[in-house]
Amino acid sequence: DGGITQSPKYLFRKEGQNVTLSCEQNLNHDAMYWYRQDPGQGLRLIYYSQIVNDFQKGDIAEGYSVSREKKESFPLTVTSAQKNPTAFYLCASSIETGGSYNEQFFGPGTRLTVL
Amino acid sequence: AQSVTQLDSQVPVFEEAPVELRCNYSSSVSVYLFWYVQYPNQGLQLLLKYLSGSTLVKGINGFEAEFNKSQTSFHLRKPSVHISDTAEYFCAVSYFTGRRALTFGSGTRLQVQP
Repeated sequence: DGGITQSPKYLFRKEGQNVTLSCEQNLNHDAMYWYRQDPGQGLRLIYYSQIVNDFQKGDIAEGYSVSREKKESFPLTVTSAQKNPTAFYLCASSIETGGSYNEQFFGPGTRLTVL
Repeated sequence: AQSVTQLDSQVPVFEEAPVELRCNYSSSVSVYLFWYVQYPNQGLQLLLKYLSGSTLVKGINGFEAEFNKSQTSFHLRKPSVHISDTAEYFCAVSYFTGRRALTFGSGTRLQVQP
């Protein structure tokens, strides 16, 4: 089945630790995105990548890092510099044709809790 | 810059009653408009989208939305809700070109009561 997988579903982190959230897609999509969801704030864009080996900061990139070495993978690292990392993290992907809108498909999410 | 406002954080409604979830946006350029639904601890699912053409858009699960350019609104409606419609609903916009990432509203929690 084609889709987006995120792992783990739940993640606990001690203060001061870096953690990496996995996002994999087998849809052959060019573009991938990371969003953070907090109660009452909707989703906010952390990073996005429109092509392999290239990525751009979103609206709340501080304290996060990403890589895009393979088309199907876009891992997100939450560093110790992120002041309040407890949140629900959603990964998405879309085709990138450049000429018209392409629907974003979302993964099931990872809930990160800082202890 | 673009922004999205969802005027109601929670909307309680009885089963089989009609519902409207409100969404207003601001943008200096034309945008695409979307409604997504999220069930607890899950990802988002696209309900419907407005790209161009008819301003009345029909989506899945009996939902529809109307694009009103003069009022910069994209309200979501359903004539008769079911218990299974209980979820969080997000309005979102995207630019035509350049950054394609979505800008989301803060969400509206629809609570359908028997």
